[in-house]
Amino acid sequence: NAGVTQTPKFRILKIGQSMTLQCAQDMNHNYMYWYRQDPGMGLKLIYYSVGAGITDKGEVPNGYNVSRSTTEDFPLRLELAAPSQTSVYFCASSSGRNTGELFFGEGSRLTVL
Amino acid sequence: DAKTTQPTSMDCAEGRAANLPCNHSTISGNEYVYWYRQIHSQGPQYIIHGLKNNETNEMASLIITEDRKSSTLILPHATLRDTAVYYCIVRDPRAGGTSYGKLTFGQGTILTVHP
Repeated sequence: NAGVTQTPKFRILKIGQSMTLQCAQDMNHNYMYWYRQDPGMGLKLIYYSVGAGITDKGEVPNGYNVSRSTTEDFPLRLELAAPSQTSVYFCASSSGRNTGELFFGEGSRLTVL
Repeated sequence: DAKTTQPTSMDCAEGRAANLPCNHSTISGNEYVYWYRQIHSQGPQYIIHGLKNNETNEMASLIITEDRKSSTLILPHATLRDTAVYYCIVRDPRAGGTSYGKLTFGQGTILTVHP
């Protein structure tokens, strides 16, 4: 199993550009999450999904959108990039039996200039 | 979720046991203690969790006090690759609503393992 795979690993955007961060998991987990981590800080939940077709907002959803058309994939969309969205983004997944045990991807480092 | 308090940093010699403490005095009966670590620039990695009994797996041991107000993560034979930020998190795994998926990663403990 590859676990949780995120692409791209690095990206530089100009203000106002749009992009999608991809996340895929091969563990057949129903639950998937997107977090962001600013330098020296903890992780903050952006969006989460409890299954295909179901998504909900986390702590910091503004400026982002998600979709969940399949169990495996959970892309995160940035519509109008702003410097405040410069961060490291982590995707994670978990099984339904124990939502405290999350499996994380390696992260996507985004810089908005 | 209950708040946790951890020391900012700790040092440990390679090959020795690393004992990382965590205080969670406001923990409620349904809340578990989870430990994660984050090696520089990588995604957090789940280590272990427990409710009230001591737990052990291939990575570490978790000792929870009888009153559940504190716990200790033990890495029995620390290696240089164990240098990381260690996070103690307390939450109810069945929490829903706005708490869903909300693992509150505080500042954690920076563990440095020296040769």
